[in-house]
Amino acid sequence: DAKTTQPPSMDCAEGRAANLPCNHSTISGNEYVYWYRQIHSQGPQYIIHGLKNNETNEMASLIITEDRKSSTLILPHATLRDTAVYYCIVKSSGSARQLTFGSGTQLTVLP
Amino acid sequence: GAGVSQSPSNKVTEKGKDVELRCDPISGHTALYWYRQRLGQGLEFLIYFQGNSAPDKSGLPSDRFSAERTGESVSTLTIQRTQQEDSAVYLCASSPQGPNEKLFFGSGTQLSVL
Repeated sequence: DAKTTQPPSMDCAEGRAANLPCNHSTISGNEYVYWYRQIHSQGPQYIIHGLKNNETNEMASLIITEDRKSSTLILPHATLRDTAVYYCIVKSSGSARQLTFGSGTQLTVLP
Repeated sequence: GAGVSQSPSNKVTEKGKDVELRCDPISGHTALYWYRQRLGQGLEFLIYFQGNSAPDKSGLPSDRFSAERTGESVSTLTIQRTQQEDSAVYLCASSPQGPNEKLFFGSGTQLSVL
């Protein structure tokens, strides 16, 4: 499965959009991009995933570049409760292998 | 509750003792995962169960670690002769059907080995 690169930390002002980048330059055609987040002292929480089209749900939007080598998770109106570590993961759906969580991005939403 | 339940939430043990950690997945979920997370680090895969198939044990760090799952229900992770480096949060996750990657995680068991 393709490896991902994320900045170790980011800050965002409360109420503003948080844009979290992820590079996955070695992604292959059948690999999806998944995002999870982990709030302190809790288990990770699924946010969103996509293949090549942009996706939106009640939590966030996922923008994937046309060449699929990078993506951005967008939290449109960040709140203090969005402070968490955000993990970008790339793997094949349908593969029996487990998800691999890297170090992620620590997002801190500032009041 | 409707979520993944883990017990105990905290476990303190002495070096050399055995411990058992329990995970109750969401009802109907066929896939179950165990992960370990050391302080300040990412998640480390341990083991994966999918229905009645042989489990993927490729992440177990040593033969002191083992896990069982009864059908599509409860799973137990056992650590024998615990060591201080086993101190971590042990997280369980389940998903509706493997290998569907939308995982639902429990809150974990914080294990401290003194």
